[in-house]
Amino acid sequence: DVKVTQSSRYLVKRTGEKVFLECVQDMDHENMFWYRQDPGLGLRLIYFSYDVKMKEKGDIPEGYSVSREKKERFSLILESASTNQTSMYLCASSPPGGGAGREQFFGPGTRLTVL
Amino acid sequence: AQSVTQLDSQVPVFEEAPVELRCNYSSSVSVYLFWYVQYPNQGLQLLLKYLSGSTLVESINGFEAEFNKSQTSFHLRKPSVHISDTAEYFCAVKAAGNKLTFGGGTRVLVKP
Repeated sequence: DVKVTQSSRYLVKRTGEKVFLECVQDMDHENMFWYRQDPGLGLRLIYFSYDVKMKEKGDIPEGYSVSREKKERFSLILESASTNQTSMYLCASSPPGGGAGREQFFGPGTRLTVL
Repeated sequence: AQSVTQLDSQVPVFEEAPVELRCNYSSSVSVYLFWYVQYPNQGLQLLLKYLSGSTLVESINGFEAEFNKSQTSFHLRKPSVHISDTAEYFCAVKAAGNKLTFGGGTRVLVKP
């Protein structure tokens, strides 16, 4: 079974703090994604990566950055957390070889609260 | 660019009753269509997908969805729901590349 794990289920931070959200997958997937999930808005793509050290902006990259130093690990960074970044963050990965029909496998999510 | 509209944000339904979750999309190119389910306190899981071929696709737990190209819809149905179907359901589309575009989600609450 594909496993995508996220470092924390719940996280509380203060405004202005630097926040790291970690995601690890164990199936040698090339593609990894970070989404945020907000009520009524569904999931919105923040960043994705299709290879080590490669990244592309998604639909809402402002206020975020990412890092992918190893194939299995994809980190989301909030340089200076703000209250409007309070949300559920979901990481996903998909198999190598691309292909539009490839399923994305999701982690359990990190619920981040910024006070 | 693609967009996805899920017309109902919440659907209450009694156990053993049928349910339909509506999904409409817009895209200028051919798309692939997905339904994901999120059970309470969990991540998303793929429920079913349409890539090509038969426009009616089924999942292992009794859900089915029909791709209607002329109406740009991909509605999800189940003829008889269980309490365990209580979850949030997301419709998603993908054109070329790896990016999924999600709808806003529909919360299904199954009542005994």
